[in-house]
Amino acid sequence: ETGVTQSPTHLIKTRGQQVTLRCSSQSGHNTVSWYQQALGQGPQFIFQYYREEENGRGNFPPRFSGLQFPNYSSELNVNALELDDSALYLCASTLMSGTTTDTQYFGPGTRLTVL
Amino acid sequence: AQSVTQLDSHVSVSEGTPVLLRCNYSSSYSPSLFWYVQHPNKGLQLLLKYTSAATLVKGINGFEAEFKKSETSFHLTKPSAHMSDAAEYFCVVSVEKLTFGTGTRLTIIP
Repeated sequence: ETGVTQSPTHLIKTRGQQVTLRCSSQSGHNTVSWYQQALGQGPQFIFQYYREEENGRGNFPPRFSGLQFPNYSSELNVNALELDDSALYLCASTLMSGTTTDTQYFGPGTRLTVL
Repeated sequence: AQSVTQLDSHVSVSEGTPVLLRCNYSSSYSPSLFWYVQHPNKGLQLLLKYTSAATLVKGINGFEAEFKKSETSFHLTKPSAHMSDAAEYFCVVSVEKLTFGTGTRLTIIP
């Protein structure tokens, strides 16, 4: 167990709708990252939040947005859902030390299906 | 820019025989390298990480990996496979963010 939890476990939405996914980080971790894992692929980096500010973003459009809260929780919001957004969404938390060796601890993921 | 290539999408070995999962990386800077494992319906678990302290890295559950800069490789090995090792394995490079390979599915034959 990594101490990182995500909700809900599964979610079904239709095209054009909006969705909010939630993550609870390990206590004391100041950084959370979100990843999208399409079926049969490796996770792709969406963005990272450090002390409630966005601190890096991958190749995802602005309709993917996030929030990080002081209580170690965070959200991933996706607007105007498309069929290709169907994937497993993973969050990972870490205590950022400013080096590349920080270990990220992953939650079990939220499986999003867009119909 | 950084990337990883996992050379095998699927590896099958018999229980009790050695495991080799191959990974090559590309990075403009000295990278940190990781291996993660993903069991069905479970999150990603860190197996081991290379941080330049030693080229041979030992991880959990008997896995180890060797960093070879001249070959830009970071292959994962285990001397004797166990049924519980069946899972998806990801090689990961980190400079500013984590970049995952496409994964290798390990199947263990009883």
